Amino acid sequence: QQPVQSPQAVILREGEDAVINCSSSKALYSVHWYRQKHGEAPIFLMILLKGGEQKGHDKISASFNEKKQQSSLYLTASQLSYSGTYFCGLSNDYKLSFGAGTTVTVRA
Amino acid sequence: KAGVTQTPRYLIKTRGQQVTLSCSPISGHRSVSWYQQTPGQGLQFLFEYFSETQRNKGNFPGRFSGRQFSNSRSEMNVSTLELGDSALYLCASSGTGFSQETQYFGPGTRLLVL
Repeated sequence: QQPVQSPQAVILREGEDAVINCSSSKALYSVHWYRQKHGEAPIFLMILLKGGEQKGHDKISASFNEKKQQSSLYLTASQLSYSGTYFCGLSNDYKLSFGAGTTVTVRA
Repeated sequence: KAGVTQTPRYLIKTRGQQVTLSCSPISGHRSVSWYQQTPGQGLQFLFEYFSETQRNKGNFPGRFSGRQFSNSRSEMNVSTLELGDSALYLCASSGTGFSQETQYFGPGTRLLVL
């Protein structure tokens, strides 16, 4: 079943923060986060495994709350390079089910 | 290490034709997954192969099929093309396909059906 992402889109000025949420009605075992720029392949950002850990990639971090069956991606002090569409993917039975994506636009 | 490669990168076909797309995974990776990406439906899982065996399949009609070779390279085939098959087809590879592994995506094949 597809995870639900919110918001659908967000516009930021450089230096601002944003949070993208990903929730599931099923139990989560691992959550994958990807970013895709227009016309390019999705690029892996991070995986969060069962255990509620938080991970970071530069100034992008994420958390995983098993109880709430939810993961959140935090964009801190956003840069122009953060623009793109962010997808969360839930892994189960050798497949990734992706959310619809959140389009992030960072303006100077 | 070379990344995931897909050929061809662009393809134009007409309705009713069939098409075969190819994916070469990262060296050493044995799991290959295929996804269809369209503006309306997002990234949809097609199927996953490991050691030449299909382990999971998404909700696509039987016109969509795939296979994997002993060197882990994979092909997907779409027969009797429809206009709605126009999409970006992405393949991704990982070591074993387990949930804790990263999947690395190729650049995709953009298919246009006229």
